[in-house]
Amino acid sequence: QSALTQPASVSGSPGQSITISCTGTNSDIINYNYVSWYQHHPGKAPKLIMYEVTNRPSGVPNRFSGSKSGNTASLTISGLQAEDEADYYCSSKGRSIIRVFGGGTKLTVL
Amino acid sequence: QVQLVESGGGVVQPGRSLRLSCASSGFDFSKFGMHWVRQAPGKGLEWVSFFPSEEMNTYYVDSVKGRFTVSRDNSKNTLYLEMNNLRAEDTAVYYCARDGPHRDVDCWGQGTLVTVSS
Repeated sequence: QSALTQPASVSGSPGQSITISCTGTNSDIINYNYVSWYQHHPGKAPKLIMYEVTNRPSGVPNRFSGSKSGNTASLTISGLQAEDEADYYCSSKGRSIIRVFGGGTKLTVL
Repeated sequence: QVQLVESGGGVVQPGRSLRLSCASSGFDFSKFGMHWVRQAPGKGLEWVSFFPSEEMNTYYVDSVKGRFTVSRDNSKNTLYLEMNNLRAEDTAVYYCARDGPHRDVDCWGQGTLVTVSS
């Protein structure tokens, strides 16, 4: 299964936009649209915020958007807000049953 | 609404065993695959195990194969994780989570902390 690489940290000021990348080592991201993203505030339950690359679950603000190009998926948060400060994880599902998460990216809102 | 509540965590010595439970409510538990995912202190999320809804095969990350066993009781809407021969590196918050319809993990519990220490 693919290993997924994310930047360890990103930061932005309120109102700005940031993008978190997620690069796979095999072709799962290229061949399948099963990329999902999770927001995790420490001490709380992780939360699904994006599925099938570009789809937001009900209740997730449209400030959150997803995309992919080649073997890299991306999560963009526009109009940053203080409550967006959290850890973000990507996951990509291919043919394997096994699930893999990226190493996580810590978002700091300055 | 969908709820997943883990229990059974605690402090245990290396080599000993622990059994985690995950009680579910708000959905038809028998129709969903279920995962265990853990987060070691200062580390990221690590997928641990998966029990599909419609087959008896179970799946594990290599580091726990032969030591951990996932099971489920659909009559009690509960998922379990039996952890044997625990190691210090198994210290983590363990989350129970539901396999979503879009090849995602769509609902998560709050987690239960397992500390393996002498």
